Amino acid sequence: SSELTQDPAVSVTLGQTVRITCQGDGLRNFYASWYQQKPGQAPVVVIYGKNNRPSGIPDRFSGSTSGNVASLTITGAQAEDEADYYCNSRDTSGDLRVFGGGTKLTVL
Amino acid sequence: QEHLVESGGGVVQPGTSLRLSCAASGFSFSDFAMHWVRQTPGKGLEWVAIISFHGYDKYYADSVKGRFTVSRDNSNNMMFLEMTSLSAEDTALYYCAREKSGAGKYNWFDTWGQGTLVTVSS
Repeated sequence: SSELTQDPAVSVTLGQTVRITCQGDGLRNFYASWYQQKPGQAPVVVIYGKNNRPSGIPDRFSGSTSGNVASLTITGAQAEDEADYYCNSRDTSGDLRVFGGGTKLTVL
Repeated sequence: QEHLVESGGGVVQPGTSLRLSCAASGFSFSDFAMHWVRQTPGKGLEWVAIISFHGYDKYYADSVKGRFTVSRDNSNNMMFLEMTSLSAEDTALYYCAREKSGAGKYNWFDTWGQGTLVTVSS
């Protein structure tokens, strides 16, 4: 199996751009999906595949991958974006799934 | 409206067993792979298990392999997680989640339940 590594915490000034990264060997073969989780709530997918946003997710959320690093970018962060963000992908075998450790985003 | 509802959580003693259920509604349950994901209070998400749409393929995280068994009943739109030899490390909120996939290279959890809490304590 393989792990996904995320920075534990990131901060951004209101209205600025922030990138949250996720590193792992499995990302060379499989795209990541990204989940936003607010306190007391279930996770919600914000990005999946190459760069797909589910209906209802603002277009300030975008995703990309380079090598073994997947990135979630929020362009013009809003106060309501303050949350925990998790990446998920398959492991190198393709059979299992794995979550990153999560990144706590603070909007200043 | 797709909906998932977990049940069966509770307080159990170390070494005992527990069976969780996930009831699905609002979609064709038998068309989708399903997952269990858990979250220790205040900590991150941990993927636990997957069961394929037909129920023949099952995979587990190393932390639960050999102790947990996932199953499903497509005729009743239900998924289950049988947990044995429970320890304090299994204390968590257990979510069930539906998986969608695309083009063979990506998948995502598009629908989640609200979770059921399992506490393992003596």
